[in-house]
Amino acid sequence: GAVVSQHPSRVICKSGTSVKIECRSLDFQATTMFWYRQFPKQSLMLMATSNEGSKATYEQGVEKDKFLINHASLTLSTLTVTSAHPEDSSFYICSASRGSGVSRNEQFFGPGTRLTVL
Amino acid sequence: DAKTTQPTSMDCAEGRAANLPCNHSTISGNEYVYWYRQIHSQGPQYIIHGLKNNETNEMASLIITEDRKSSTLILPHATLRDTAVYYCIVRVANTGNQFYFGTGTSLTVIP
Repeated sequence: GAVVSQHPSRVICKSGTSVKIECRSLDFQATTMFWYRQFPKQSLMLMATSNEGSKATYEQGVEKDKFLINHASLTLSTLTVTSAHPEDSSFYICSASRGSGVSRNEQFFGPGTRLTVL
Repeated sequence: DAKTTQPTSMDCAEGRAANLPCNHSTISGNEYVYWYRQIHSQGPQYIIHGLKNNETNEMASLIITEDRKSSTLILPHATLRDTAVYYCIVRVANTGNQFYFGTGTSLTVIP
């Protein structure tokens, strides 16, 4: 159990276009989802926290108008990179937490989406 | 910001125990220690977590010092598939609390 999927796994787009990445919790309801970005040979950097039915909370330095996050249901969150530029090329990873009531509360991570902006 | 310090890299012989240290000297009383690992170009995988008692599961053991300022992840019999970056993270065990990743330890298991 506790599987998180991402789609697409890999995307190449032209500079100036927008790209949407989906994150789904397949066998549990995720009250909170998180989006991370990882550049080559670097660690994961938290971008934003997404709660179902409310606005996302962005980390300092992350442009909310550029990285649009929608968490419309308990199993789906989307990240849209608007007007993508080559410097947005990165590995984008989502994670999801199950509801409260369990002591573990670990995050379950998706497999990641490799974005390349030409 | 990450509240942990880990060695940048380590090597371990296949079949031997891999001991990965982590310093978290500013850990708060209600913060757990979590360990994840990331194999190249994949999402992080949960390994184990603990508060103050030592923990063991099918993947690893977690040893937390009595003062909780440091911990060690032990992979009892390392295999080549354990080659990955291992992240030690401290956070309050609550659904809404974020994970802030440090630089992690790149473990290479050598045949």
